[in-house]
Amino acid sequence: KAGVTQTPRYLIKTRGQQVTLSCSPISGHRSVSWYQQTPGQGLQFLFEYFSETQRNKGNFPGRFSGRQFSNSRSEMNVSTLELGDSALYLCASSTYPTDTQYFGPGTRLTVL
Amino acid sequence: AQSVTQLGSHVSVSEGALVLLRCNYSSSVPPYLFWYVQYPNQGLQLLLKYTSAATLVKGINGFEAEFKKSETSFHLTKPSAHMSDAAEYFCAVSEETSGSRLTFGEGTQLTVNP
Repeated sequence: KAGVTQTPRYLIKTRGQQVTLSCSPISGHRSVSWYQQTPGQGLQFLFEYFSETQRNKGNFPGRFSGRQFSNSRSEMNVSTLELGDSALYLCASSTYPTDTQYFGPGTRLTVL
Repeated sequence: AQSVTQLGSHVSVSEGALVLLRCNYSSSVPPYLFWYVQYPNQGLQLLLKYTSAATLVKGINGFEAEFKKSETSFHLTKPSAHMSDAAEYFCAVSEETSGSRLTFGEGTQLTVNP
């Protein structure tokens, strides 16, 4: 069974731009979560989607948003990029929200 | 609120020596506990998971962890380190009521010396 896939793997943007990251979960998984990983803050939870509904949201500004489609694929969007948004963004999927999560390889975002 | 503390941001062992990575958690309800490993430029790979079925949990690659409620600990061990174990290790906690939300520790970078 294919794992979680994330596209693109690497992205370079400039301050003020917006960016959209994509995540395709493992087949049959309906829950998708997003995490931000930075050297300073570590791994932080962004949000969780299940059956196209946002169930949980971390402590991030409104510039960070996401959505989930009927096929369980998910996207996250960051508007008005700041230098501090440079990070590895990880997506994880599970069958249900309380089940074990499996992570994708991440998207490395660099904001210049 | 749940939280995780990993003692030691860097641990160095010799090949063949015991690996011990420490994790203490805080949770108001019975927790789910996890250990993940991250190799450079990769995502997180699940090593093992505790869900109250047994206090000693065996994972992949020879790793195991023991849940000790009285000590609120979930330390990760491996009897004999291999060079390929060099990576960053993360302890994480979640609760039934928090859905898939994982709270991670700061991570421990494991170095294995030949």
